[in-house]
Amino acid sequence: EPEVTQTPSHQVTQMGQEVILRCVPISNHLYFYWYRQILGQKVEFLVSFYNNEISEKSEIFDDQFSVERPDGSNFTLKIRSTKLEDSAMYFCASRDSPLNTGELFFGEGSRLTVL
Amino acid sequence: AQSVTQPDIHITVSEGASLELRCNYSYGATPYLFWYVQSPGQGLQLLLKYFSGDTLVQGIKGFEAEFKRSQSSFNLRKPSVHWSDAAEYFCAVGVSAGNNRKLIWGLGTSLAVNP
Repeated sequence: EPEVTQTPSHQVTQMGQEVILRCVPISNHLYFYWYRQILGQKVEFLVSFYNNEISEKSEIFDDQFSVERPDGSNFTLKIRSTKLEDSAMYFCASRDSPLNTGELFFGEGSRLTVL
Repeated sequence: AQSVTQPDIHITVSEGASLELRCNYSYGATPYLFWYVQSPGQGLQLLLKYFSGDTLVQGIKGFEAEFKRSQSSFNLRKPSVHWSDAAEYFCAVGVSAGNNRKLIWGLGTSLAVNP
């Protein structure tokens, strides 16, 4: 069964360092998302990406964040200068349909710990 | 504003007992509703979804949910819980903004199952 894969599963970094979280969406999917979940809080939408550009981004997704689809398979989330409050589980998701009815497939998440 | 409320943060049931997890939503248009499950160390897996039609929807692992528009609810049920059902359960509503769709999440309900 096709699945979304994320690497690394856990990353520990020092505050101020750059972090890149990688995702390989399902191969025929066209819509890509990043969500995050701070420990004890709700899963929050960060950004959606379609046709090589950002479709929508939340207030959380400030200038420190960027996304890229550098090749035909990877979808990355970059945090330029990490802050303590960026510590969270980051989930990548993909969907093949633009409709609200289309299922969102999630990866297992990348846990980021900022010290 | 769109929102999802899961009133129960933590629930403990005995194996074999019935289960109901509550979810209330706030959304002005026709809601697209989802239940996801997150097992320890795993990603978010779709249990079931409601788009239209029959208000009682069946999902995987023996789960079902009932959409009640008058109560703005989408409660998840299972007649007989198994120990492997211990996990975090998330209710979400799909919302549209232009040509973009995203999920708004509840805080989640942590389910523990006693042997």
